[in-house]
Amino acid sequence: DIQMTQSPSSLSASVGDRVTITCRANQGISNYLAWYQQKPGKVPKLLIYAASTLQSGVPSRFSGSGSGTDFTLTISSLQPEDVATYYCQKYNNAPTFGPGTKVDIK
Amino acid sequence: EVQLVESGGGLVQPGRSLRLSCAASGFTFDDFALHWVRQAPGKGLEWVSGINWNGGSTGYADSVKGRFTISRDNAKNSLYLQMNSLRTEDTALYYCAKAGPSFWSGYTDWGQGTLVTVSS
Repeated sequence: DIQMTQSPSSLSASVGDRVTITCRANQGISNYLAWYQQKPGKVPKLLIYAASTLQSGVPSRFSGSGSGTDFTLTISSLQPEDVATYYCQKYNNAPTFGPGTKVDIK
Repeated sequence: EVQLVESGGGLVQPGRSLRLSCAASGFTFDDFALHWVRQAPGKGLEWVSGINWNGGSTGYADSVKGRFTISRDNAKNSLYLQMNSLRTEDTALYYCAKAGPSFWSGYTDWGQGTLVTVSS
């Protein structure tokens, strides 16, 4: 089975900072990767699919990159409303979520 | 507007069964694959099961294979999850999620979830 890891598990950054979250698969998954944002007490929201395609309505400060085994989610300028846990997911053949990265404001 | 409304959760003893439902509206139901995703209290997301547009293809996480059965009724715009031989580790909030244009796609829309508690 393909396992997904994320780093860091949590981070604290200032408003306006550039934030990068890494997701790694232990086998190649091409670009079958999505990123979700889950705010406290809320339902997950799709941010990015196909590793780098921004879902409609998602602010352009979010971006994704990578292919194969290594992927990143970048928030170019962190905003207070971005406080959330972010999950990566490989979504082909037995979808698997990463363990999540909790993002807070410093 | 896409709406997914789960129901059927509750408190159940280990070894018993429960059937979850998800009522969908706001989109052409039989154009999309659907999935169940769960989240144990304070934990991360776990894919449980998925079904393609006509029910002809299904998938299950190893943790539920042989115990859970996913199905859909396109005439009723409804998705189901039959859960048998429930275990305490099945305790979670169960979300219904609509996939993108193919079976293996990101999940564009989610319901609010229904809570399943397995306890004696």
